Amino acid sequence: AQSVSQHNHHVILSEAASLELGCNYSYGGTVNLFWYVQYPGQHLQLLLKYFSGDPLVKGIKGFEAEFIKSKFSFNLRKPSVQWSDTAEYFCAVTFDRGSTLGRLYFGRGTQLTVWP
Amino acid sequence: EAQVTQNPRYLITVTGKKLTVTCSQNMNHEYMSWYRQDPGLGLRQIYYSMNVEVTDKGDVPEGYKVSRKEKRNFPLILESPSPNQTSLYFCASSFAPPSGANVLTFGAGSRLTVL
Repeated sequence: AQSVSQHNHHVILSEAASLELGCNYSYGGTVNLFWYVQYPGQHLQLLLKYFSGDPLVKGIKGFEAEFIKSKFSFNLRKPSVQWSDTAEYFCAVTFDRGSTLGRLYFGRGTQLTVWP
Repeated sequence: EAQVTQNPRYLITVTGKKLTVTCSQNMNHEYMSWYRQDPGLGLRQIYYSMNVEVTDKGDVPEGYKVSRKEKRNFPLILESPSPNQTSLYFCASSFAPPSGANVLTFGAGSRLTVL
């Protein structure tokens, strides 16, 4: 069955530290990949997405992610985090199999806490 | 303003008392979906709808019903709520099923507590 894994459940960093959050999925076919962010008390917002082309995608607020097909991964990165990046981050994937059309699968989320 | 509106935002109820969480979008989206969010489990899809009168089960449909009589509305119905349905619920919509070209717009969430 298709699945999405986020390895880090809680990440704690100091401001200006670099960030990398892992995301892996289990499917060898065509996928669309997303990272969403949820700030405290708010709904999900799209950070970035990948569906074709350059595997290094840039999103809002200085975030970027790299799609590595051979590793089934789509890790989120930011060179220098800020206190305002404290939030929960979700990786999400669609799979192009007929039985999963219309479905967006989420990972369990990673809580990022940034200390000033 | 383009948005997905959910009501109520907060609700405390008791076991067995039927309730409906409404979801409405003003973007003429064909695709709508309900998710529940629980700590450590991320978002799990309950039901989704490709268009009017077309609905299908997600990963956790047990204990829920939905209907799609109009394009703009997609209510979530809990016929007999139980404490394990205490959760944060999100409605989302997009022009077509989620893909690189069709990104979901989420509502603000409805926090439900079942005692």
